Amino acid sequence: AQKITQTQPGMFVQEKEAVTLDCTYDTSDPSYGLFWYKQPSSGEMIFLIYQGSYDQQNATEGRYSLNFQKARKSANLVISASQLGDSAMYFCAMREIYNTDKLIFGTGTRLQVFP
Amino acid sequence: EPEVTQTPSHQVTQMGQEVILRCVPISNHLYFYWYRQILGQKVEFLVSFYNNEISEKSEIFDDQFSVERPDGSNFTLKIRSTKLEDSAMYFCASRDSHSSYNEQFFGPGTRLTVL
Repeated sequence: AQKITQTQPGMFVQEKEAVTLDCTYDTSDPSYGLFWYKQPSSGEMIFLIYQGSYDQQNATEGRYSLNFQKARKSANLVISASQLGDSAMYFCAMREIYNTDKLIFGTGTRLQVFP
Repeated sequence: EPEVTQTPSHQVTQMGQEVILRCVPISNHLYFYWYRQILGQKVEFLVSFYNNEISEKSEIFDDQFSVERPDGSNFTLKIRSTKLEDSAMYFCASRDSHSSYNEQFFGPGTRLTVL
């Protein structure tokens, strides 16, 4: 059964520092996608970054990068040069490509960036 | 930039009443979804919809729920006889068909409060 685990309920980081948010997953499907979404206090879900199971390179999008370690089934989000506006909930999600069309979400990590 | 829109942003209803949550997916997208997030919890999949029919639904999506695409632009979630535990944020999402890996774009959500 597919499962997403985020073990950090909350994280603090100082402005301009880098922070890593952990995500591990479990699936028996060899084809899957991993996603990170940001949810600010206003409530909307903002797509950040995507990693496919067959992608050779780690995904990057601006200040966001994904540290994908397939053998360890981890897909950690790295935010570089944190900004105050990065304070939000961050959700890791997975989709098994062939078996289902749904996203399975983790419980989220609340990131607080302080000056 | 095209975006998913949802109305209303907040809906308050009495227990036992019917509610219809509305979504306008991104115009060239073909796959549509509803998710819900009970306050403080993770996002949960409800249903996916493609080619004018439900393609997948979760255990949460029982006979109380229904979805419809009444015209070429709207995608609705109807909840009959609402219960207190239906209070949640409901997200609509859509994606296009160019690649199985494509991200789902989420709307801003409708906060449903059942009294």
